[in-house]
Amino acid sequence: KNQVEQSPQSLIILEGKNCTLQCNYTVSPFSNLRWYKQDTGRGPVSLTIMTFSENTKSNGRYTATLDADTKQSSLHITASQLSDSASYICVVKRYGGSQGNLIFGKGTKLSVKP
Amino acid sequence: DAGITQSPRYKITETGRQVTLMCHQTWSHSYMFWYRQDLGHGLRLIYYSAAADITDKGEVPDGYVVSRSKTENFPLTLESATRSQTSVYFCASGTGVQETQYFGPGTRLLVL
Repeated sequence: KNQVEQSPQSLIILEGKNCTLQCNYTVSPFSNLRWYKQDTGRGPVSLTIMTFSENTKSNGRYTATLDADTKQSSLHITASQLSDSASYICVVKRYGGSQGNLIFGKGTKLSVKP
Repeated sequence: DAGITQSPRYKITETGRQVTLMCHQTWSHSYMFWYRQDLGHGLRLIYYSAAADITDKGEVPDGYVVSRSKTENFPLTLESATRSQTSVYFCASGTGVQETQYFGPGTRLLVL
C-alpha cells in the first residue's frame, strides 16, 4: 500500500533552535517528494521538491534531504523563528501516475515558542 | 496579483442542500485540483482537471461534481450535502506533472 508516514506528529521547540522532521514512504515507483508548509487557516505552500537523483535541496533556512534507497526524507529547520510555527506536510508522487496521484502525509505540527 | 482565490471562505449549509465552491486562478495553469482536509487525514484529492473540459476523479469523488468550462475556473458542487462533507476544501493549480501545486486559502464548510 502506498503510504507516507510523518514523525513526530507534533513538536515544540524554542526560538532559535534547530529541528528535524521525518518522512518515511512506501510509495512505488517513486517520482518525486515535496515538502509543504501550512500556516494555520491557510493553504499549503511549497518549500521544496526533489526527484530521485537529488539528495539535498535548500530553501533558505529549510533543508530537505532524500534517501531513495531507504525511502526516507527529512526537513531540517535551522535557527527557528516564531513564523516557522505551522504544519509541515510531506507529499510523494508515484512515477507514471497522473498529476492527481499524490500521496499526502498527515503532517507534523511545529510550534516555536519564544 | 490575485493568484488563486476561493469563495466563499466560510459556508454553513444544511443537509440535502446543493452547495457550490468556487475556485479561480489568474496564472493560466492547465491543471487544477480540489482537495479536502480533515483532522486525522492528510489532504485527499476529490477531483482534478488537466485542461478545460477535461476532469478526472481523485481518491474521494463520491457526492461531488466538478466542471471546467474555462481554464481559470474550477467550481466544486456538492449536489446534496451530507454531514460527512463538513471539511476544509482547498483548490490548487499547477503547470505540469512534475511541477509544484499552488493552493488557495481554503473554504471551511459546515453541514448541519
